[in-house]
Amino acid sequence: QKEVEQDPGPLSVPEGAIVSLNCTYSNSAFQYFMWYRQYSRKGPELLMYTYSSGNKEDGRFTAQVDKSSKYISLFIRDSQPSDSATYLCAMSVVETSGSRLTFGEGTQLTVNP
Amino acid sequence: DVKVTQSSRYLVKRTGEKVFLECVQDMDHENMFWYRQDPGLGLRLIYFSYDVKMKEKGDIPEGYSVSREKKERFSLILESASTNQTSMYLCASSFFLGQGAGANVLTFGAGSRLTVL
Repeated sequence: QKEVEQDPGPLSVPEGAIVSLNCTYSNSAFQYFMWYRQYSRKGPELLMYTYSSGNKEDGRFTAQVDKSSKYISLFIRDSQPSDSATYLCAMSVVETSGSRLTFGEGTQLTVNP
Repeated sequence: DVKVTQSSRYLVKRTGEKVFLECVQDMDHENMFWYRQDPGLGLRLIYFSYDVKMKEKGDIPEGYSVSREKKERFSLILESASTNQTSMYLCASSFFLGQGAGANVLTFGAGSRLTVL
């Protein structure tokens, strides 16, 4: 069983829709939760990160973490064609020499104009 | 504006060849990482380094080695390339935040797509 499970999609929505992207995980030691966005033929770039449980909002993006359910979500409001990309969740524990990330498989999102 | 540079975007090699993938970062980051990305498997950590001349195995180190002679440069080496090493290889770097200091935020390069025939 993978430590981090993410529905690979693909997910196709009309412009303006609310998008919900989700990951579940099994390692209760994960403390930091991140979302990366990867455009076609590019490397991933950090979108948002949160520590422990709770919500974090940045413009049209909201990240939620529910540690009791081992479930994280990324919501995109008023989705735009420019949001079309693969979204990867990532998580880490804090180790003595740094933090290693464990990634989900990524969800491919297409926002249609 | 490019901060993590991978020297080769696309490579085609033959089985048994030795392959070098180079990565350079200009952000003075202590940590550097090599991942491979495959459909259905996501990003998997091959090797990482927290300091010059220091390396640690990731989750899938078999068939790979690395070299970090300078802080800004981290090389991935395939001693004898095989077809199952056909993949997208991603280099990343980050600051060392100290024990328990916080999230390890990675900056990625654009990737090197390797095909082994």
